[in-house]
Amino acid sequence: EAQVTQNPRYLITVTGKKLTVTCSQNMNHEYMSWYRQDPGLGLRQIYYSMNVEVTDKGDVPEGYKVSRKEKRNFPLILESPSPNQTSLYFCASRGPDYGYTFGSGTRLTVV
Amino acid sequence: AQSVAQPEDQVNVAEGNPLTVKCTYSVSGNPYLFWYVQYPNRGLQFLLKYITGDNLVKGSYGFEAEFNKSQTSFHLKKPSALVSDSALYFCAVRTPPGRDDKIIFGKGTRLHILP
Repeated sequence: EAQVTQNPRYLITVTGKKLTVTCSQNMNHEYMSWYRQDPGLGLRQIYYSMNVEVTDKGDVPEGYKVSRKEKRNFPLILESPSPNQTSLYFCASRGPDYGYTFGSGTRLTVV
Repeated sequence: AQSVAQPEDQVNVAEGNPLTVKCTYSVSGNPYLFWYVQYPNRGLQFLLKYITGDNLVKGSYGFEAEFNKSQTSFHLKKPSALVSDSALYFCAVRTPPGRDDKIIFGKGTRLHILP
C-alpha cells in the first residue's frame, strides 16, 4: 500500500530536549515536505525537499531542521523545542501528477 | 503572491441537503487547484483537483468542484450531504512551477452535517 509513515503519533517533551520525528514514504517520490497545523492557521510549510540532498525552507522554518540523505526518508529535527512548537505535524510526499500523500500526523506537546 | 481563501470557518448543513464549501484563489498563470479532507485524528486525504479541461471536476465520495475563472473560485459541492461528510476541508493552490514549487493551503472549513 502506498503510504507515508510518520512516528511517533503522539509526543510530549520538555523544553530544550532534542527530538526527531521520522517520515518515510514507499512511493519513490522525489518531493517531500513537512507542515504544521494550528487552529485557525491551516497548514503551513516548514521545510521541503525536491530530491536527495536538496532541502529548502518553507514559510515557518525557524526552530526546525531537516535532512534528506535518502529518497524515502525525511526526518524533522527540533534541536531545542519550545512551547510555541506545540502543534500537529504532517509529512507529505508528492507524486509526478502533483498528488500529495500525507502521513497520519504527529501531535507534539512541548512543556 | 499566491493565496487561497476559505471565507467560512464552519458550514452547517442538514443531512440530505446540498452542500457548498467556498474557496477563492489568487495565482499568477494557470491555476492548479485542489481539495483535501481531514477526518479526526487523520492526515489529509485528496478529494479532487483541477489542472485543465472541464470546469466541473468530480472527485472522491461524491464530491465535485466547479472552477470559475472569472470569479477566481473553486467551490466544493455535493448534491446530498451525509453525516459521514462531517470533517475539515482544505482548499489549496499550486504556486507556479519553479524552485519554490509548492501548494498553499487555505485555513480550512469545518463542515457539520446535522442528522
